[in-house]
Amino acid sequence: EADIYQTPRYLVIGTGKKITLECSQTMGHDKMYWYQQDPGMELHLIHYSYGVNSTEKGDLSSESTVSRIRTEHFPLTLESARPSHTSQYLCASSDWTINEQFFGPGTRLTVL
Amino acid sequence: AQKITQTQPGMFVQEKEAVTLDCTYDTSDQSYGLFWYKQPSSGEMIFLIYQGSYDEQNATEGRYSLNFQKARKSANLVISASQLGDSAMYFCAMSNTGGFKTIFGAGTRLFVKA
Repeated sequence: EADIYQTPRYLVIGTGKKITLECSQTMGHDKMYWYQQDPGMELHLIHYSYGVNSTEKGDLSSESTVSRIRTEHFPLTLESARPSHTSQYLCASSDWTINEQFFGPGTRLTVL
Repeated sequence: AQKITQTQPGMFVQEKEAVTLDCTYDTSDQSYGLFWYKQPSSGEMIFLIYQGSYDEQNATEGRYSLNFQKARKSANLVISASQLGDSAMYFCAMSNTGGFKTIFGAGTRLFVKA
């Protein structure tokens, strides 16, 4: 069954730690996205990719970085977590046709 | 620049009644798609319905229909026979066909009353 996965689902971590949020999809989609969303608020695009070895920054300035070495995998890394990074992070993918985005379940990050 | 506007931060509806969630958009593209997503309190984003800019008929998916008025640049979501499980955030979104990015509105929180 084609799907999109994110791990961990919940993460509580101390300030200054390096973290990587994992995202994988089995749909063969070229395009993948990372969004940051505070509870009940709008989505902010922080990174996207339209294929292997391509990554772009989104509309919201972010201190995170991403990589796209394999089509199915699009991890997001924070080199030094801060309390301001506390949020939900949603990963999504889409194809080149109608751009319907398939979302993962999200990672809720809390930085103490 | 593309823009999505959802002017209703919160809406209340009685169970079993219909409700319309408003969405207006702005784009200079001729070919684009409009989407609605549902986000329950659990946080996942669930795709509900899609309307292409060249589709002549309004999209329908079960209890969901999209009232597409191209000249007014509006794409309102109509939920018929509301259920308690419909209580959630609803996001309108738009993407130009074949483009890289999808833009989302600020969302409308729907409360269904028993």
